Amino acid sequence: SQQGEEDPQALSIQEGENATMNCSYKTSINNLQWYRQNSGRGLVHLILIRSNEREKHSGRLRVTLDTSKKSSSLLITASRAADTASYFCATGAGGSEKLVFGKGTKLTVNP
Amino acid sequence: DTAVSQTPKYLVTQMGNDKSIKCEQNLGHDTMYWYKQDSKKFLKIMFSYNNKELIINETVPNRFSPKSPDKAHLNLHINSLELGDSAVYFCASSQDGVYEQYFGPGTRLTVT
Repeated sequence: SQQGEEDPQALSIQEGENATMNCSYKTSINNLQWYRQNSGRGLVHLILIRSNEREKHSGRLRVTLDTSKKSSSLLITASRAADTASYFCATGAGGSEKLVFGKGTKLTVNP
Repeated sequence: DTAVSQTPKYLVTQMGNDKSIKCEQNLGHDTMYWYKQDSKKFLKIMFSYNNKELIINETVPNRFSPKSPDKAHLNLHINSLELGDSAVYFCASSQDGVYEQYFGPGTRLTVT
């Protein structure tokens, strides 16, 4: 069954603005990952946060994880047109390589 | 160099045919996966192999059969194709103990 649910389904912003996407999940996890998918391409791993971490940064990306609320957020600061893509969260339960993906947030950054 | 490659990129075929999609990774990873992404962009795992052994087999029709000749290759054979099989199929790989997965560019399968 589907684990992650991203919110919003679609987001349109202007270049330079920040973009925030949220992900909720249902069961216990070992780690949560965010992936980007450009139109017609494969997924690219962005960042991973483990269940014992609360926040992680990578360049313009900031991920938070709240295991009590079973939710995560991905913040992209100072967005660029090249950030236009679909963003997926994926949860891993540990002890298995299986990832369960959400439906994704489609981000459009207007120049 | 391409890390995870798939062939073909596009595949158009008629119902009832049998087709194969090939995947190769040159990352030295131990685990490979097949995912199906439907028209609503929902991505779901189908199979996973670790060092040529099947470790994940989700609820997938028997018409789908993965084959791993070596740990760098994982092919997907589909028998008696149906309209509902139309989707984008992604291959991915990961290293043992490392959770990040590396995806191929996808194969868009269209069954007419």
